[in-house]
Parts: sequence; C-alpha cells; structure tokens
Amino acid sequence: GQNIDQPTEMTATEGAIVQINCTYQTSGFNGLFWYQQHAGEAPTFLSYNVLDGLEEKGRFSSFLSRSKGYSYLLLKELQMKDSASYLCAVRGSNDYKLSFGAGTTVTVRA
Amino acid sequence: ETGVTQSPTHLIKTRGQQVTLRCSSQSGHNTVSWYQQALGQGPQFIFQYYREEENGRGNFPPRFSGLQFPNYSSELNVNALELDDSALYLCASSGGQGTFVHNEQFFGPGTRLTVL
Repeated sequence: GQNIDQPTEMTATEGAIVQINCTYQTSGFNGLFWYQQHAGEAPTFLSYNVLDGLEEKGRFSSFLSRSKGYSYLLLKELQMKDSASYLCAVRGSNDYKLSFGAGTTVTVRA
Repeated sequence: ETGVTQSPTHLIKTRGQQVTLRCSSQSGHNTVSWYQQALGQGPQFIFQYYREEENGRGNFPPRFSGLQFPNYSSELNVNALELDDSALYLCASSGGQGTFVHNEQFFGPGTRLTVL
C-alpha cells in the first residue's frame, strides 16, 4: 500500500518562500508528482521527480530523496494567486495509478 | 487540442439510485483514470482504463464500474448510491505519443455528486 503525508495547512506572506514537505512509504516507486488545486477546480500538474535531486521550474522547485522517501515543493516569490491546495502524489511501480496525500492548503497573505 | 472534459458538472441523487458520469479524454490520450475526492482530502484512485480494458483498480466496491469506448472516452457508473459517495469525481487522461515525457495525468474539471 501507499502512505503519503504532508502538512495540512501553511500560511505565508506575499513575496516570501514556502516549502511543503511530503514523506511517503510505498510498495513501489515510479515517480513523484506535485499538483496544484484551487478550490472547486481540477488539480493541475506542477512538477515531476523520478531521480534524486532538485527540479526547478520558474518560481516552483521540487526535490526528491528516494532513500529517505521524502520530497518537497518550494514556492518562491509568493503571489496571492498561489493560495491553493498542493497535492503530493506517488506513482507506483505498476505505473497505472497515482496515490495522493491529503493536500496542503497554502494561504498567501498580503 | 481540447482538454479533458466531464459531464455533468453537478448532480444530486438520492440514496439507492444509480448514476453515470462521463469523461472525454484529451486529444491523443489513450488512458483514462477515475478518482474520488472527498471534501478536504486528496483524490483516491478508483480505476483506470487503457484501450477499453480495466487496467488496475483501487479499493472500491464492485458497485463502482466503468467503461472505455473506442474513442477513449469513458464512463463511471455507481449503483446503489450511499451518502458517503458524495464527492468530487475526477477523470484524468494520460498516455499518447511523444508529448508526455513523464506520462503525467491531466485532470478534467470534475463532477460534483451529492447524495441525499
């Protein structure tokens, strides 16, 4: 089975940096995804890691350590529109499904 | 290129009824996955269809069933609805040639099902 943990809520100020951690215990691993979900909307793809290290994509970066079962999503230069839920998801070795954490609600304050 | 679409957007049913939700995959995608997202939770995998065959199933009872059609669109059917089935049902498509390096899943807007 899969067990994916991430904090429930985080609050930060506009222009600041926030790091969302995700730990996972899975029976197989074939990639870790981060999705952003605004209230009432569908999740949208942010990033993908399958090898250890940092992937940078504009203001967003994602890090993976497979040996530690750990990832983080780093959001820099926060904007009000970044207020959303951020979902960590792991793809198992069978490559057919994503197992999601419960999501981290990030609130950006002026 | 059109994205993933789902219908209806919202639906209200009563306990014991049956419901069919529909999904059209993104152009060029041959795989459709269905997820159930309860309020305040992450999406939970229901099942996946690849080339009209079920290709994996999550921990959902048999009253959750599905279909995929030759054009890769898909249906999710839920029989004998229960109150706990109230959720956002998300369809995600993936697969295809060339474009999708990571085979990431692209989600539709979802169907909000309320069971009274």
